[in-house]
Amino acid sequence: NAGVMQNPRHLVRRRGQEARLRCSPMKGHSHVYWYRQLPEEGLKFMVYLQKENIIDESGMPKERFSAEFPKEGPSILRIQQVVRGDSAAYFCASSLRLEAFFGQGTRLTVV
Amino acid sequence: ELKVEQNPLFLSMQEGKNYTIYCNYSTTSDRLYWYRQDPGKSLESLFVLLSNGAVKQEGRLMASLDTKARLSTLHITAAVHDLSATYFCALANFGNEKLTFGTGTRLTIIP
Repeated sequence: NAGVMQNPRHLVRRRGQEARLRCSPMKGHSHVYWYRQLPEEGLKFMVYLQKENIIDESGMPKERFSAEFPKEGPSILRIQQVVRGDSAAYFCASSLRLEAFFGQGTRLTVV
Repeated sequence: ELKVEQNPLFLSMQEGKNYTIYCNYSTTSDRLYWYRQDPGKSLESLFVLLSNGAVKQEGRLMASLDTKARLSTLHITAAVHDLSATYFCALANFGNEKLTFGTGTRLTIIP
């Protein structure tokens, strides 16, 4: 049973471009959580999704950020018009009910 | 709003010494986790604590939970270099795995 898969592992974008981060949960897991980790800080919750539903997006910035978890395929975190301050590690976690398992993360660098 | 504080933020210890990391939180939760993160890596789950008085041990690490005091501790016994990492505590919401993380403790073991 493969773990939580995130890709790409590293992503470089110029200011103003779009970033798409993908997360494939563990097999059978229907809950996906996205977290952001700024350098030298802890992880901050962004959004919680189930298939085709956003359950809690209280940690998402109001603009430029969106997330989806379609019926088929991975969960996507999309950042439009990236700025330098978006540079961070983005982690996805999945769970069936309790206990979340984390992916390796995507390290986004905005230049 | 749930707040989680860890202290110390930074800790340098000599090999062979004992020390404790503290995790205080502001409101009740039904699960508390301890994670380890190596630089540039994902999070490794160490312990999950479910109830008041819970104590779990793995090798040189021992975690405990006092729900009345809203305090968890991670105790390190006879530290070795391999334990150098950043340690996070995190609390889960009731009913899902939305996690609120502490600030992290960066532990450096000095030979």
